[in-house]
Formats: sequence, C-alpha cells, structure tokens
Amino acid sequence: GQNIDQPTEMTATEGAIVQINCTYQTSGFNGLFWYQQHAGEAPTFLSYNVLDGLEEKGRFSSFLSRSKGYSYLLLKELQMKDSASYLCAVKDSNYQLIWGAGTKLIIKP
Amino acid sequence: DAMVIQNPRYQVTQFGKPVTLSCSQTLNHNVMYWYQQKSSQAPKLLFHYYDKDFNNEADTPDNFQSRRPNTSFCFLDIRSPGLGDAAMYLCATSDGAGDSYEQYFGPGTRLTVT
Repeated sequence: GQNIDQPTEMTATEGAIVQINCTYQTSGFNGLFWYQQHAGEAPTFLSYNVLDGLEEKGRFSSFLSRSKGYSYLLLKELQMKDSASYLCAVKDSNYQLIWGAGTKLIIKP
Repeated sequence: DAMVIQNPRYQVTQFGKPVTLSCSQTLNHNVMYWYQQKSSQAPKLLFHYYDKDFNNEADTPDNFQSRRPNTSFCFLDIRSPGLGDAAMYLCATSDGAGDSYEQYFGPGTRLTVT
C-alpha cells in the first residue's frame, strides 16, 4: 500500500528553527508537496520538490531525497502565526496526491 | 482575485436528509477535486474531474455523488448523510494533473449531521 508518515505533533519556541520530517512509500513518484493548514481552514501550498536537494523560499525550505523516500520542511525564525498543521503529499505514478495526516506544530512564546 | 469559493461554509443537516455542497472557481482550471477531511486526518479524495471526465475513487461510498455542469462549478451531493459523514469537505482545483501542478483549495464546508 501507499503510505506517508509524519510526526503527529511538534512543539517549538518563537524565533527558533524546526524541522518536520516526512517519509513516504508510494507507487511511483512525481513530486512531493508541502501544504500549511491552519485550524478550520483549507490547506495552502508551501513548496514542491521533484529533484533531490533543498528548495528555499524565504523562511521556509524543503528538502528531498528520493533514494531514501524522505523529505523535510524547515521553518526558520518561527512566528506565532506559524502554528498550524503541515501536510506532506506525494504524487504517485498516476499523478494522484497521496496525503499524510499532517504534523500539528505548536509555537510557544 | 482568482479563487475557489465554497458555499455554504457551515452546513447542518439531519440524518438521512439529502444535502448539496457547492464549489465554484474563477481560476479556469481544468481539474476539480472533492476531498473529505476529518479532524487530524489526511484529506481523502472522493472524486475528481479532468474537464468533464469524471473519476470516482474506488472507496468513495455510493452515498456520495458529484456533478460538474461547466468548468466553473462543481457540486457534491450526499444522498443520505449518516453521522459518519460529518467532516470538512474541501474543493480544490489545479491547472493540470501533471507532476508540478499544485492544488488550490477553497475554504471548505464543515458539515454537521444531527
């Protein structure tokens, strides 16, 4: 079967750095997405990786290793508004998005 | 601003009473999706349309139906809602189905079944 694993919950301090990991086992691979979802709201797109390496976008960076079936989302200079769930999703060989259950990130002052 | 709109944002229905959720988009995207998301769970794909080509996920209950009368609109019909159908229903669009196409989500409709 297809599977995306992420930690259920993480806690970090305002101003700090946090890394959210995602491992995947899917039928084929056509890219990995990270989405942010605030409580009660819709997911919003953060990043896309299809080649190995690091993609940087402001305070957020995303890394991919296809050989390891692994990605992480790195959030720097954490702000209280970054408190949200972060969902990892992989496009499989049929271009269907396989979603993880998300990591709830709690930011403390 | 181009966007994905869902109405209503909150819907309360009675057990067994049919309900329709609506989604519209101004992005002119080819692909539209309906997801069901329960608390702290991954979004579960129910249906998607590539233009008028309808795709039903294998494990989507028969109780759920969908219509896409034109590019801009898509509807989710729940014929006989059960208590287990209480969830957030998310509509999303994308400009294509290929690898890099991201999905744009509407704000969701939270369905309560009493």
